Amino acid sequence: DAGVIQSPRHEVTEMGQEVTLRCKPISGHNSLFWYRQTMMRGLELLIYFNNNVPIDDSGMPEDRFSAKMPNASFSTLKIQPSEPRDSAVYFCASRPTNRGSLHFGNGTRLTVT
Amino acid sequence: AQSVSQHNHHVILSEAASLELGCNYSYGGTVNLFWYVQYPGQHLQLLLKYFSGDPLVKGIKGFEAEFIKSKFSFNLRKPSVQWSDTAEYFCAVHLNEKLTFGTGTRLTIIP
Repeated sequence: DAGVIQSPRHEVTEMGQEVTLRCKPISGHNSLFWYRQTMMRGLELLIYFNNNVPIDDSGMPEDRFSAKMPNASFSTLKIQPSEPRDSAVYFCASRPTNRGSLHFGNGTRLTVT
Repeated sequence: AQSVSQHNHHVILSEAASLELGCNYSYGGTVNLFWYVQYPGQHLQLLLKYFSGDPLVKGIKGFEAEFIKSKFSFNLRKPSVQWSDTAEYFCAVHLNEKLTFGTGTRLTIIP
């Protein structure tokens, strides 16, 4: 089991650029979550999917953020345009059932200058 | 709305000291509770979880947590900490398919 795989591990970009973060959940897991971690706000749930369908995106900060899950093995989180305040570590996590524990990826550290 | 409170932001202990990290949640119904650990530069890993049954839950690396429903608490404990326990610890509550995390407690163990 390779675990949840996120790419890239680090991303440095300039303000105004588009950023795409990628996540491959553990095979067989039917729920996928995107979290953002910052010193100021801790871990924030951005959005989660059940069976590839977005269930709750109330944590997405604004329209600049969008997430997709075109199939059970892949999800993207896109920021367009990016801003310095988007700098954070973005974690993807998946779980096998609605009550199971989350398995986290290694995260993507995003720096927007 | 549910919330999770971790009142200890940073705890510093010497090796072999006993540890207790507080976690309180605000929802009054049935909840599932978790503790996760994040070692420096790494992702979150599950320490232990409570779904039902024995309110004293044992996890990995000698950690345990006690669910006290009347106090809405799920405190994490370890009788004797090690330098390798230096990490950030997150309490989380699962409700309505979502996992809500506390703000975390940074634990520093001094050799």
